Amino acid sequence: AQSVAQPEDQVNVAEGNPLTVKCTYSVSGNPYLFWYVQYPNRGLQFLLKYITGDNLVKGSYGFEAEFNKSQTSFHLKKPSALVSDSALYFCAVRDGRSSASKIIFGSGTRLSIRP
Amino acid sequence: ETGVTQTPRHLVMGMTNKKSLKCEQHLGHNAMYWYKQSAKKPLELMFVYSLEERVENNSVPSRFSPECPNSSHLFLHLHTLQPEDSALYLCASSREPGTHKDTGELFFGEGSRLTVL
Repeated sequence: AQSVAQPEDQVNVAEGNPLTVKCTYSVSGNPYLFWYVQYPNRGLQFLLKYITGDNLVKGSYGFEAEFNKSQTSFHLKKPSALVSDSALYFCAVRDGRSSASKIIFGSGTRLSIRP
Repeated sequence: ETGVTQTPRHLVMGMTNKKSLKCEQHLGHNAMYWYKQSAKKPLELMFVYSLEERVENNSVPSRFSPECPNSSHLFLHLHTLQPEDSALYLCASSREPGTHKDTGELFFGEGSRLTVL
């Protein structure tokens, strides 16, 4: 069975500092990995994904994530945090590309950027 | 604007009411999803429709009844709900899973905040 873990409920970072939001996963096949962001009272917004290719994936708003197969991780990063990055971040994994595979979401990490 | 529109954005209902949530997507997708988001819980997948056929029903109580009349519209009919059903209900769409058009990601609406009194 596939699973995804976000070990931190909350991450606090000062504006201008680098940020990392952690995600580890478990699948039996080839993982499709995603990051989504949710602002207050809004739906989830797609940030970036890894399907195949380069391990470093770049996405919206200056975010990037690194796929690490040996550590089964897909951590979200940004070199310089902005106050507007404060939101709830979800990591998600899908086990392969079959019609039966489903996207499973982590429990979310609240990112708080202080001025 | 994500291309997925949910109405109403907020709904308050009593336990004996019947109401419906509506979702419409303008992205040309063939799969649509209902998720439930409760405080301090992971997102729960409720229903999946692909090409207007229900392909997933994750042990959801019968007081929730989905309907997908065409590939652009998805409804969630609500009847005799419980206070613990209060949550944010999120609709999403995607290209048809498992096909060459499948890009993997879901596109979400803004959600319908449901409060059951």
